[in-house]
Amino acid sequence: ETGVTQSPTHLIKTRGQQVTLRCSSQSGHNTVSWYQQALGQGPQFIFQYYREEENGRGNFPPRFSGLQFPNYSSELNVNALELDDSALYLCASSLAYGGNTEAFFGQGTRLTVV
Amino acid sequence: AQSVTQLDSQVPVFEEAPVELRCNYSSSVSVYLFWYVQYPNQGLQLLLKYLSGSTLVESINGFEAEFNKSQTSFHLRKPSVHISDTAEYFCAVLRRAAGNKLTFGGGTRVLVKP
Repeated sequence: ETGVTQSPTHLIKTRGQQVTLRCSSQSGHNTVSWYQQALGQGPQFIFQYYREEENGRGNFPPRFSGLQFPNYSSELNVNALELDDSALYLCASSLAYGGNTEAFFGQGTRLTVV
Repeated sequence: AQSVTQLDSQVPVFEEAPVELRCNYSSSVSVYLFWYVQYPNQGLQLLLKYLSGSTLVESINGFEAEFNKSQTSFHLRKPSVHISDTAEYFCAVLRRAAGNKLTFGGGTRVLVKP
């Protein structure tokens, strides 16, 4: 148990819809990163939030957006869903950015777009 | 840009036999190196990491990995596997002083047979 919780655990959406995924970071952690893991592949970095500001973004289109709240929890929003957005979405929290602090991952949200 | 290559997508191995999972990376700058394990329907758990110092790092459950700068490799080994080691293993790198974007390999699925 890492203390990072994600909700919902599973959901099914229709192409074109919008979705919001949520992540509660581990107590005391101020950095949250989001990753997309397609079936059979390694996770791909979407973006990171540090103290409520976006702090780095991967190669994802603008329809992927996020927020971090004062309690350091975070949301990932995806607009205009496409079939290829079907994946496991992982949230990771850490005390600060920088590789010398461990990132703790949640169990993920499995999104299926039909 | 950096990339991570895990040369074996699947590794079947008998219980109590040794296993080696290969990981090579490309980066023009210094990196931190990580191995994560993912059990079915779960998030990622940190297995071990190399930040600096001794090039051989060990985990509490018998895994070890050796950083080889000249070969840009970070292979993972275990001398004797258990059924419970059946999982997917991901190698990841993080560029120093470049935020917290983890770049993952495609994963190696280890199947331990009795």
